[in-house]
Amino acid sequence: QVQLKESGPGLVQPSQTLSLTCTVSGLSLTSNSVSWIRQPPGKGLEWMGVIWSNGGTDYNSAIKSRLSISRDTSKSQVFLKMNSLQTEDTAMYFCARFRSSGFDYWGQGVMVTVSS
Amino acid sequence: DVVMTQTPVSLPVSLGGQASISCRSSQSLVHSNGNTYLHWYLQKPGQSPQLLIYRVSNRFSGVPDRFSGSGSGTDFTLKISRVEPEDLGDYYCLQSTHFPWTFGGGTKLELK
Repeated sequence: QVQLKESGPGLVQPSQTLSLTCTVSGLSLTSNSVSWIRQPPGKGLEWMGVIWSNGGTDYNSAIKSRLSISRDTSKSQVFLKMNSLQTEDTAMYFCARFRSSGFDYWGQGVMVTVSS
Repeated sequence: DVVMTQTPVSLPVSLGGQASISCRSSQSLVHSNGNTYLHWYLQKPGQSPQLLIYRVSNRFSGVPDRFSGSGSGTDFTLKISRVEPEDLGDYYCLQSTHFPWTFGGGTKLELK
């Protein structure tokens, strides 16, 4: 079955770079697209970006200058890198498979706190 | 960016009752290919969002027929009939027609 699992540091210092990994199983990244979505504590959902099955990417313009999404298809992993972190980047970060039916499978999420 | 406005923000319901959530977009969600990419999610406390309805009115695998979606253009509705305890949580609409993809602000379905 399709599964996604996020991993990464729980705490990042302000101005530093966040690096997260989404490890997928039950699907191939060469025929599936994966997105990153985040949710600040007690708030709503924000789409961050997508890496398409062909390896192309699209990003939310609000954070595009700080964000990079890449992948390693041989390891079934998708990576998120976001620089210049601030306290407002404190959030639960989710990866999810994207299809024309929307985000149909989600990971459990990883909580990232930006604090010194 | 397309702004997705959900109402109400909070919706008290009785078990066995009916609930209706509105989602309005600041521009039409009809894609140039003719499809409308409006989807609905439920996020239960402490969990990831789960897909309920995709492309306006299609129930995702395993979703009970108590959930139904309707609408067109800029105006969409999620209806839940015979509300059960496992239906409580935060509901979000999502548009994936226009970049950046955007979510509604959420509706909390809670017990009256």
